Amino acid sequence: DTGVSQDPRHKITKRGQNVTFRCDPISEHNRLYWYRQTLGQGPEFLTYFQNEAQLEKSRLLSDRFSAERPKGSFSTLEIQRTEQGDSAMYLCAAGVRYGYTFGSGTRLTVV
Amino acid sequence: QQPVQSPQAVILREGEDAVINCSSSKALYSVHWYRQKHGEAPVFLMILLKGGEQKGHDKISASFNEKKQQSSLYLTASQLSYSGTYFCGTEGNAGNMLTFGGGTRLMVKP
Repeated sequence: DTGVSQDPRHKITKRGQNVTFRCDPISEHNRLYWYRQTLGQGPEFLTYFQNEAQLEKSRLLSDRFSAERPKGSFSTLEIQRTEQGDSAMYLCAAGVRYGYTFGSGTRLTVV
Repeated sequence: QQPVQSPQAVILREGEDAVINCSSSKALYSVHWYRQKHGEAPVFLMILLKGGEQKGHDKISASFNEKKQQSSLYLTASQLSYSGTYFCGTEGNAGNMLTFGGGTRLMVKP
């Protein structure tokens, strides 16, 4: 139990389909972050929230990606019209000043 | 901009020491260190704040040179459980998101 729950753990989808991932911090955290990680690389920043407000979004993120955090609790990350290059581990993290707590991630495979 | 970690990989025998370096081209507010085992999420080890140094574990410590924008992670008397990939994450301004390095793969052999 990492303190951050992500669902699903694995997702296989066909190219062109839409997918949605969910992140639930177990305890209340003001800040929630989404990262993407490909094999052999460090986590790459996607976006983050302060409560329900989305404060920053990576310039590398295409318009096909959108994230929400209604009511400042759980968060969802949606990818529309998936491409093979979207295949990666999507990590959610909570916390700020004293380290991030990462969820176990959602591994997306686009076929 | 992504911090640069070195070395990219290191193999140790149990009981040996290792140093992992993290270097940034930007001024830093803090540096975080994480360890990730295969198939698992990164786990927080410690944070070093501008103006201070924090030791997170008995045999794992770190330093932060603000002037050089560099941090080093020291693993002393390594154990098998230390194996994994170590990432530094840098914070440019207080409250910003972390930017992670490419990782250092550490393998400790018996």
